[in-house]
Amino acid sequence: DTGVSQDPRHKITKRGQNVTFRCDPISEHNRLYWYRQTLGQGPEFLTYFQNEAQLEKSRLLSDRFSAERPKGSFSTLEIQRTEQGDSAMYLCASSFVPGTGELFFGEGSRLTVL
Amino acid sequence: SQKIEQNSEALNIQEGKTATLTCNYTNYSPAYLQWYRQDPGRGPVFLLLIRENEKEKRKERLKVTFDTTLKQSLFHITASQPADSATYLCAPGNAGKSTFGDGTTLTVKP
Repeated sequence: DTGVSQDPRHKITKRGQNVTFRCDPISEHNRLYWYRQTLGQGPEFLTYFQNEAQLEKSRLLSDRFSAERPKGSFSTLEIQRTEQGDSAMYLCASSFVPGTGELFFGEGSRLTVL
Repeated sequence: SQKIEQNSEALNIQEGKTATLTCNYTNYSPAYLQWYRQDPGRGPVFLLLIRENEKEKRKERLKVTFDTTLKQSLFHITASQPADSATYLCAPGNAGKSTFGDGTTLTVKP
């Protein structure tokens, strides 16, 4: 088991472009989460899936953000028409429920919007 | 709305001393509370989970308490070492979903 992997680790884009991040969770985990983190802040919840179903999406998340988890395995997070305020670390985490609730995080995808 | 506060942005202590970090929450009734460690540029790493019916939990040099009346958790690192220097995040949770505080950065000086 290689843990949670995220790709790309770094992405620099120009304002207005679309970006997509991929997360591969631990294989037996049925829950997958996306968080966003800016410098000096804790991870902010964006959305989560149980298997392929998206169970909750943050009300703070604009319509430019969309996430999918086809077949309940890997997940993608797409940001359309990026803005400078989207610059952040995007963290993916997975867990198994029912279980301890422990989240296993990836190393994150850092987005810089110029 | 839910609010999670962790004590002071930075905590500096001398090697060998006990570090005590505080997590307070409001407008929230978590079933459990987790603590994570985060190093610069890395994802958080799970340390401990304590449930609402538990008062205290220990793991090696780590101790966590959980007071649901005060809505507070304390996280202790005993015999601290420079390698313990990191940001520590508390995360109260329910039904598998956790909300994170902004963390406390701990620096342990030799």
